[in-house]
Amino acid sequence: EVQLVESGGGLVKPGGSLRLSCAASGFTFSSYSMNWVRQAPGKGLEWVSSISSSSSYIYYADSVKGRFTISRDNAKNSLYLQMNSLRAEDTAVYYCARDLQGRTIALNWFDPWGQGTLVTVSS
Amino acid sequence: SSELTQDPAVSVALGQTVRITCQGDSLRSYYASWYQQKPGQAPVLVIYGKNNRPSGIPDRFSGSSSGNTASLTITGAQAEDEADYYCNSRDSSGNQYVFGTGTKVTVL
Repeated sequence: EVQLVESGGGLVKPGGSLRLSCAASGFTFSSYSMNWVRQAPGKGLEWVSSISSSSSYIYYADSVKGRFTISRDNAKNSLYLQMNSLRAEDTAVYYCARDLQGRTIALNWFDPWGQGTLVTVSS
Repeated sequence: SSELTQDPAVSVALGQTVRITCQGDSLRSYYASWYQQKPGQAPVLVIYGKNNRPSGIPDRFSGSSSGNTASLTITGAQAEDEADYYCNSRDSSGNQYVFGTGTKVTVL
């Protein structure tokens, strides 16, 4: 069974740091790009960051650029998100999701998603 | 960055048909994918590309696109289809992704 399990969420003070992890199983992790997506309480989905299979290509949403760092360890089948200089507006459930691509670069989709881990930034 | 706009909420009578739309400039270059999210749960992929359904997704879900608009149609809506639905695509730069604003579907 293809599965993603996030961990590492919790309560952190503004300005603090947190590292999220996503453990993958049931598929060849090293063959796929991966993404982090977040959802603030009562709000919609927001894409955060993506990383290619070999870590050659990394992209961030403008809202987290310079503060968050995405990485992966293909030997450990794991995806990470290092979050620094956290703000109240970073409070959200963070999901990891596998990135699949069709025959054309114009077609991508996210499947599956993990169950999410909650990050709360508050003093 | 690009934006994808959806109607905030729609309602549909049990067994009837509802269409959810997603508008944005990036959809002229990139296909949309659609996700269903029920309260307290992670999103689930329901449609990707022109009209592709993952295994396990009922065939009452279908997709289409034209110009800058992608659509998700539920034909014969069931009570279990009540959820939030989000579209997604790459943005116009091709380097980032963008989600739609989300549509809450209520089945009456």
